[in-house]
Amino acid sequence: DAKTTQPNSMESNEEEPVHLPCNHSTISGTDYIHWYRQLPSQGPEYVIHGLTSNVNNRMASLAIAEDRKSSTLILHRATLRDAAVYYCILNSGGSNYKLTFGKGTLLTVNP
Amino acid sequence: GAGVSQSPSNKVTEKGKDVELRCDPISGHTALYWYRQSLGQGLEFLIYFQGNSAPDKSGLPSDRFSAERTGGSVSTLTIQRTQQEDSAVYLCASSLFGAPNQPQHFGDGTRLSIL
Repeated sequence: DAKTTQPNSMESNEEEPVHLPCNHSTISGTDYIHWYRQLPSQGPEYVIHGLTSNVNNRMASLAIAEDRKSSTLILHRATLRDAAVYYCILNSGGSNYKLTFGKGTLLTVNP
Repeated sequence: GAGVSQSPSNKVTEKGKDVELRCDPISGHTALYWYRQSLGQGLEFLIYFQGNSAPDKSGLPSDRFSAERTGGSVSTLTIQRTQQEDSAVYLCASSLFGAPNQPQHFGDGTRLSIL
């Protein structure tokens, strides 16, 4: 599976935008870029995914570099409820469509 | 609508006992996944079902672990002769079908503690 690299931690202030980076320099043409987040004592929560084009949904935006070797998850206005571990994951399918979770980025949101 | 439901939410058992964990996926989701999350290991994939079939069981940690899914809906993960290293949070997820562009929706897990 192609690997992703994320900063261990980031800090933001409430109501400010947050840009969470992810590097995936060995991405293949069929890899989808997924973002999940996990709040304490909860299962992971799907945030957004994309292949080549930028994507927007009610939770966030995903900006994908033209060469697809990196992507950025954008939270437009951070709230205290956005404090979580954010995982950037590549899903290429294979025989089981598994998600391979790394260590992710721990986002702290300051009031 | 209802999300993925797992039961029990917590399970404490003695080493050597068998345990059965249950997952009720989102209605209409044909793909179902089991993962586990332990303190030192992070989140690891265990098994995937498309309908009632599991095409790849290589993620199961040992032959003490088995999983089945009947009726294309509820799944059970069984651990026989539990060991202390089996202590973890067992997470179930489902998706509409198996594909790399399908979001997986997770339950809140079963926290398993082996004494």
